[in-house]
Amino acid sequence: QKEVEQNSGPLSVPEGAIASLNCTYSDRGSQSFFWYRQYSGKSPELIMFIYSNGDKEDGRFTAQLNKASQYVSLLIRDSQPSDSATYLCAVNTGFQKLVFGTGTRLLVSP
Amino acid sequence: EPEVTQTPSHQVTQMGQEVILRCVPISNHLYFYWYRQILGQKVEFLVSFYNNEISEKSEIFDDQFSVERPDGSNFTLKIRSTKLEDSAMYFCASSERQGAKKGGRAISYEQYFGPGTRLTVT
Repeated sequence: QKEVEQNSGPLSVPEGAIASLNCTYSDRGSQSFFWYRQYSGKSPELIMFIYSNGDKEDGRFTAQLNKASQYVSLLIRDSQPSDSATYLCAVNTGFQKLVFGTGTRLLVSP
Repeated sequence: EPEVTQTPSHQVTQMGQEVILRCVPISNHLYFYWYRQILGQKVEFLVSFYNNEISEKSEIFDDQFSVERPDGSNFTLKIRSTKLEDSAMYFCASSERQGAKKGGRAISYEQYFGPGTRLTVT
């Protein structure tokens, strides 16, 4: 049973559009949720985190959490070609470790 | 902006050899982690470390692996006898804080990753 699931993509959006990335998780007791961006050959870069149900906005990014549905999403507004990367959803399912999904590859075309 | 650093960026070793990967976490952070990512696969947790002891480890982190904080700044991962399947990117991460447990589960706060060490075992 996969603990954190993401569509591998690629998700292709034109420049300026909204990109919507989704993630589901299996452990209902999970408390913390993170979105990382990973460029090819680079390390994960933390871009958003959310701990409570609802929406959290930071600049062009909005994270949405629905614990009842075990669903977390990331919206990227006004997508730019530089946003093209793999977006990793990570969930805290225990005391400290993060469990990562396989990531969704986002391609933003000019 | 403070960041996690790792050395070396790339390590090539022969099967059976010992390797030590080094990390300098962000200076005011108290919680340290190692993750690995095999090429084309997802990031996997190895171990977490707090107050000079392991606080959590995965099934991957067997007796061939060990971690140490030899001084006030470095955090190391040692693999005693490398195998071909140890070839991967190894990421160090650190976190400033760890939340109190809520409903039996702790809230894990933000973990910041270093640039990684690419380990190639031949």
